[in-house]
Amino acid sequence: TQLLEQSPQFLSIQEGENLTVYCNSSSVFSSLQWYRQEPGEGPVLLVTVVTGGEVKKLKRLTFQFGDARKDSSLHITAAQPGDTGLYLCAGAPGNEKLTFGTGTRLTIIP
Amino acid sequence: NAGVTQTPKFQVLKTGQSMTLQCAQDMNHNSMYWYRQDPGMGLRLIYYSASEGTTDKGEVPNGYNVSRLNKREFSLRLESAAPSQTSVYFCASSRAGVSYNEQFFGPGTRLTVL
Repeated sequence: TQLLEQSPQFLSIQEGENLTVYCNSSSVFSSLQWYRQEPGEGPVLLVTVVTGGEVKKLKRLTFQFGDARKDSSLHITAAQPGDTGLYLCAGAPGNEKLTFGTGTRLTIIP
Repeated sequence: NAGVTQTPKFQVLKTGQSMTLQCAQDMNHNSMYWYRQDPGMGLRLIYYSASEGTTDKGEVPNGYNVSRLNKREFSLRLESAAPSQTSVYFCASSRAGVSYNEQFFGPGTRLTVL
């Protein structure tokens, strides 16, 4: 089983601060996805990265795929209370099953 | 479009009881999945169906069975529930083979086994 470890597990910061969460594995993935999950709901896809070194931006969120395609990071600029949620990374070794990380629970304090 | 729907939203069972969790998608996706989510463990794959008529075991299949009834519907059955099956269950679907297997999730079923 390929493992994806996310850090930190919990993060609580003030509104307006910047933050980075990490997703690491010893395995290579053909693509990597980031999902956000709000309480009582299912995960919702934010972005997919597929090329080593790729950087994608989604408003204040910046996603990067490692050069070796084993790790990824999510950077949030000027965090807002609406960013609160559980962030999950998920790697696809091929074209079927995803392996999910353990998640980072983010709380933005107004 | 409703996307992925799941029923029921909440369920309490006694040890040894059986139940079926229902899932349906209206996106014409080929692949469907059942996950369980436990604190600190992320999402773990129970079973998946790459296409209508096929099912395969995931990471944690013991104690569960599935049926891919047609392209839209994928059900998960607990034949004899155990307290260790207390969890939140999510169904997901994807087109598979397209868009790098991006998955769309239902709202979840919160199951408690006493």
